[in-house]
Amino acid sequence: SQQGEEDPQALSIQEGENATMNCSYKTSINNLQWYRQNSGRGLVHLILIRSNEREKHSGRLRVTLDTSKKSSSLLITASRAADTASYFCATDANDYKLSFGAGTTVTVRA
Amino acid sequence: DGGITQSPKYLFRKEGQNVTLSCEQNLNHDAMYWYRQDPGQGLRLIYYSQIVNDFQKGDIAEGYSVSREKKESFPLTVTSAQKNPTAFYLCASSPRGQGWGYTFGSGTRLTVV
Repeated sequence: SQQGEEDPQALSIQEGENATMNCSYKTSINNLQWYRQNSGRGLVHLILIRSNEREKHSGRLRVTLDTSKKSSSLLITASRAADTASYFCATDANDYKLSFGAGTTVTVRA
Repeated sequence: DGGITQSPKYLFRKEGQNVTLSCEQNLNHDAMYWYRQDPGQGLRLIYYSQIVNDFQKGDIAEGYSVSREKKESFPLTVTSAQKNPTAFYLCASSPRGQGWGYTFGSGTRLTVV
């Protein structure tokens, strides 16, 4: 079953702008992860945030986690054309496997 | 370089035929996973294995089978019982236990002809 749901489904921004996408989930989790997928390729792990963490940074990425609302957000700052991809959240609900959402497709226009 | 290799990249299956997708990793990871991705959708878990000679069904195991005889290898067979096998198949691996990101292969695109 897909636990995470991303919002919006698609996002189009100008190069240099910030992109924000959200993920909501249903059950308690051990950690939440974000992945990127370029068209026709495998997924690449971006960042992991544990249930006792509220915010995490990695380069131009900022992830927040609100366990009371069962939601997470991914912010990409100063976007580049190379950031054009689909972004997925995945939840680890204490059962040793990840459940993925349907993803947000981000298009960065030059 | 360490990583996961999936082969073939493209595969065509005739009706009623079984096909096997290969997944090999040299990351020394204990856990391996198979996901299916349909156009515009997320990933759905088919099978996973936390250790050699042991594996569990995921959410959509019907019509699929796996084996885990070696740590490095986790092949997926799509049987004729799988009525709608056309999809993008992704293999992943991770260290055993929780709190690890997955490393994914580049995928196999299976088409029924």
